[in-house]
Amino acid sequence: GAVVSQHPSWVICKSGTSVKIECRSLDFQATTMFWYRQFPKQSLMLMATSNEGSKATYEQGVEKDKFLINHASLTLSTLTVTSAHPEDSSFYICSAREALQSSYNEQFFGPGTRLTVL
Amino acid sequence: AQSVTQLGSHVSVSEGALVLLRCNYSSSVPPYLFWYVQYPNQGLQLLLKYTSAATLVKGINGFEAEFKKSETSFHLTKPSAHMSDAAEYFCAVSDLGNDMRFGAGTRLTVKP
Repeated sequence: GAVVSQHPSWVICKSGTSVKIECRSLDFQATTMFWYRQFPKQSLMLMATSNEGSKATYEQGVEKDKFLINHASLTLSTLTVTSAHPEDSSFYICSAREALQSSYNEQFFGPGTRLTVL
Repeated sequence: AQSVTQLGSHVSVSEGALVLLRCNYSSSVPPYLFWYVQYPNQGLQLLLKYTSAATLVKGINGFEAEFKKSETSFHLTKPSAHMSDAAEYFCAVSDLGNDMRFGAGTRLTVKP
């Protein structure tokens, strides 16, 4: 089946530094990738949608300069949290949509990345 | 815009008992509906999906869900709960032209 990986699985950083999270589709080509944020005991909040080769579309209230998204290839998208602060600590999950499945809008999810900003 | 409502943020059942997790959807066009399970500190795993074929959908781990258009529901059931079923469950909806939207989630606890 369709597998999505994320790296790193967890990261701890100091306030003010930047952190990059990678999302890869391992056995399919992902024309669209999604980035979600999840707070403890809450649902997933869509942050942005990225299409390969295009600029990401951010949801209302998400700072595009704070959360930089790059989708340079059909198998890789990256999320960079710039100048991270403790309030950015969260669980970040990516998902990918395969072109052939796009009629159902089914997404395949990565295992998530736990970010802790000290 | 489409949306889903999960009734009950927390459901507790005894091992061996019926599991029923409720999901109601709102969509102006025929929806695609999904149930995902999330274990602690992990991503989402697809349990099952409805994509306008059979209204009774069977998924992994013994779960199934029935699409009822008249009730705008897509409730998740399992005849006999197992301890390993304890997790967070999310219902999601999408349709042509719209991306997936998730419910608030239901935490399932299984008591021995």
